[in-house]
Amino acid sequence: GQNIDQPTEMTATEGAIVQINCTYQTSGFNGLFWYQQHAGEAPTFLSYNVLDGLEEKGRFSSFLSRSKGYSYLLLKELQMKDSASYLCAVRLYGGATNKLIFGTGTLLAVQP
Amino acid sequence: DTAVSQTPKYLVTQMGNDKSIKCEQNLGHDTMYWYKQDSKKFLKIMFSYNNKELIINETVPNRFSPKSPDKAHLNLHINSLELGDSAVYFCASSQDRGKGHQPQHFGDGTRLSIL
Repeated sequence: GQNIDQPTEMTATEGAIVQINCTYQTSGFNGLFWYQQHAGEAPTFLSYNVLDGLEEKGRFSSFLSRSKGYSYLLLKELQMKDSASYLCAVRLYGGATNKLIFGTGTLLAVQP
Repeated sequence: DTAVSQTPKYLVTQMGNDKSIKCEQNLGHDTMYWYKQDSKKFLKIMFSYNNKELIINETVPNRFSPKSPDKAHLNLHINSLELGDSAVYFCASSQDRGKGHQPQHFGDGTRLSIL
């Protein structure tokens, strides 16, 4: 089966840095996505990794190690508006289809 | 200029009824999806269509029937609604079956509550 693990909840302070980890055991790995979802809203795309290493996008960075089945999302200079769920999703490639398998998400609370 | 739009946003109905949710995307994407997000916020793929052709059909009760009249629309019809169907249903779209770095773009969700 497919398995993606993330911590359920995290708390951090405004202005600080937080790292959200994701480990996966899946078949046919073809990329890893991070999405942000505010309460009652749609998930929105944050970052994508398919090769090992770090991808940086402003205050957000994402890292991937395929050999370890591990990724993390790094959020710098935290703002109150960063309070949301962060979803790790692995894309599986199965011939003609590309399917996303989501983790259960990490609920991040940013405190003043 | 909404990219992926779903209607209705809220749906409250009785057990046993039949209901439909509509989804439209104006991004020019060729692939559309339906996801179910349960009370624990777990987002799970249900169906995917590429250019009106069904390409993903997960283990979903056959009371759920997707229909894609064209590549910009993917509707979801649910027969004989059950209590366990209560969830948020998200529509999404992507280009080129989601290959490469193409992310999926999600609608705002339809909150379905079964009484």
